[in-house]
Amino acid sequence: NAGVMQNPRHLVRRRGQEARLRCSPMKGHSHVYWYRQLPEEGLKFMVYLQKENIIDESGMPKERFSAEFPKEGPSILRIQQVVRGDSAAYFCASSPPRGGINQPQHFGDGTRLSIL
Amino acid sequence: TQLLEQSPQFLSIQEGENLTVYCNSSSVFSSLQWYRQEPGEGPVLLVTVVTGGEVKKLKRLTFQFGDARKDSSLHITAAQPGDTGLYLCAGGGEKLTFGTGTRLTIIP
Repeated sequence: NAGVMQNPRHLVRRRGQEARLRCSPMKGHSHVYWYRQLPEEGLKFMVYLQKENIIDESGMPKERFSAEFPKEGPSILRIQQVVRGDSAAYFCASSPPRGGINQPQHFGDGTRLSIL
Repeated sequence: TQLLEQSPQFLSIQEGENLTVYCNSSSVFSSLQWYRQEPGEGPVLLVTVVTGGEVKKLKRLTFQFGDARKDSSLHITAAQPGDTGLYLCAGGGEKLTFGTGTRLTIIP
């Protein structure tokens, strides 16, 4: 998992604060995906991005959540005004350009977000 | 909505035994991936299967994709304690749908 770097590994926030989660994809990968794993549940897709473009955000809550993947720098998942229900492990994955074929996604070790 | 059901949910066996875990869906998937996840870490990709009926081997692990591309199985021969972990199947393209997982424990 060392290829996809996520930080911080653990993040504690109080209700109402903002949480910023960062993801640097593997070298040569231009596609980034964010997933959320709630306690005792499976991984759920949130958003798929390419550089400077959101391709599919159908799994992301409509309010308080946003994601970006700028031309330079890591992808950022931002959660505003956090609530207790946002406590989860957030995983980022990356893949090379798809080129019309299915490219496997490689995951980072996640950010564990705890809301007090 | 595409769903992937994995069975069994939990499996605990003695070292040296063989086992098979299953991943089933009513939907057709263009490809299916198997991951293993350790506590506190992200899923690690084991294999991708693309063609219906495809069989792939990874040392003691054998993966099969169903002919209709709706199901898959993972067979482990002579299980070892290092095989302990959460096994996840995932299907789809960019927007992966993950299965419910099989938590495997190998007892030394």
